[in-house]
Amino acid sequence: EDKVVQSPLSLVVHEGDTVTLNCSYEVTNFRSLLWYKQEKKAPTFLFMLTSSGIEKKSGRLSSILDKKELSSILNITATQTGDSAIYLCAVNAGNNRKLIWGLGTSLAVNP
Amino acid sequence: DAMVIQNPRYQVTQFGKPVTLSCSQTLNHNVMYWYQQKSSQAPKLLFHYYDKDFNNEADTPDNFQSRRPNTSFCFLDIRSPGLGDAAMYLCATSTLASGETQYFGPGTRLLVL
Repeated sequence: EDKVVQSPLSLVVHEGDTVTLNCSYEVTNFRSLLWYKQEKKAPTFLFMLTSSGIEKKSGRLSSILDKKELSSILNITATQTGDSAIYLCAVNAGNNRKLIWGLGTSLAVNP
Repeated sequence: DAMVIQNPRYQVTQFGKPVTLSCSQTLNHNVMYWYQQKSSQAPKLLFHYYDKDFNNEADTPDNFQSRRPNTSFCFLDIRSPGLGDAAMYLCATSTLASGETQYFGPGTRLLVL
């Protein structure tokens, strides 16, 4: 059965810290991995990683896909209180247009 | 701006009273999804449309129905809401040209009394 596992489930840091969130997957016919940020509303798209685009960066956020280890990390440097959210990882596998979701990592950034 | 819109943002209904949630998009995406998300859980796919082709998830209760009258609009009908149906309902869209990236609307939070 296809599955996506995120770790840690929750994390508390201080402003200015750097955090690394992990996502591992076991799927058939991997196509892409997506990261979303969810505050008290709908998920907001961050990055999509594929075999041809294994590293993405936007400001203080960056993500890398390791196809050999079947995993991805999301890095946030110089964290701010506004980074507090649940970070969701999802994988698209096969041709069915559906995403397989992890349970998310809840990040709290304290002032 | 191109976007996904959901109405209403909050919906209160009574046990057993039918409710309809709506989603519209200006992205012209051919795939539209409905998810149910409960607290501290990942979004759970209920069904999706690929153009007019309806795809139901095997574990979606019959109580949940959907309509897509045109490319822009999609509706979620809950025929007889139970207390367990209280959740956030998320609409998302995607297109094969954008890969598998799904773009979400703001969600409708449903409360069942």
